[in-house]
Amino acid sequence: GEDVEQSLFLSVREGDSSVINCTYTDSSSTYLYWYKQEPGAGLQLLTYIFSNMDMKQDQRLTVLLNKKDKHLSLRIADTQTGDSAIYFCAGTRSGNTPLVFGKGTRLSVIA
Amino acid sequence: GAVVSQHPSRVICKSGTSVKIECRSLDFQATTMFWYRQFPKKSLMLMATSNEGSKATYEQGVEKDKFLINHASLTLSTLTVTSAHPEDSSFYICSAFSGRGGDTQYFGPGTRLTVL
Repeated sequence: GEDVEQSLFLSVREGDSSVINCTYTDSSSTYLYWYKQEPGAGLQLLTYIFSNMDMKQDQRLTVLLNKKDKHLSLRIADTQTGDSAIYFCAGTRSGNTPLVFGKGTRLSVIA
Repeated sequence: GAVVSQHPSRVICKSGTSVKIECRSLDFQATTMFWYRQFPKKSLMLMATSNEGSKATYEQGVEKDKFLINHASLTLSTLTVTSAHPEDSSFYICSAFSGRGGDTQYFGPGTRLTVL
């Protein structure tokens, strides 16, 4: 089955860019997602990318997909203290199949 | 985007009691809903897949008699934790898939269950 790996921690200074990396094993993953979870809260969908895309940008967020290496990254430009949270990447083959989540990367933003 | 709600958001119960958690798609019909469980500082693990009008499909290791799932309508799925024990304390999150106009699942805000 699918396996999704993420680094567990990332610490950046306010105003810098953050890059959170993710690797996955299932080459048939068609939809790849990034979710944000703040303490005690549910999941907030940040962005997603289809496997036929290489890059997607949405305001401060840029997602890069290297399908050959099965590598996904999320770049947050001008990181703010409000961006401190756990970020999960997840993949699935289609919308009606369950998501497989990575363990999450805890982003700490230092003022 | 589409909205999924969960009720209650937080529940504390005594060991041995049953707790029902509701997951509703507020502005779309969900043909499929998923139930996930998240332990503290851990990732989300799929518990079961729920299709409207049919029995839920449970993941290996999830007791179907303990975690009863009912998807009686296209906008509501319920998870009942029967005879809850402290080890059932967790964060339960549902997601819903509409099957129309996109292929994205939408997540509810989660329900934090604490069993004393």
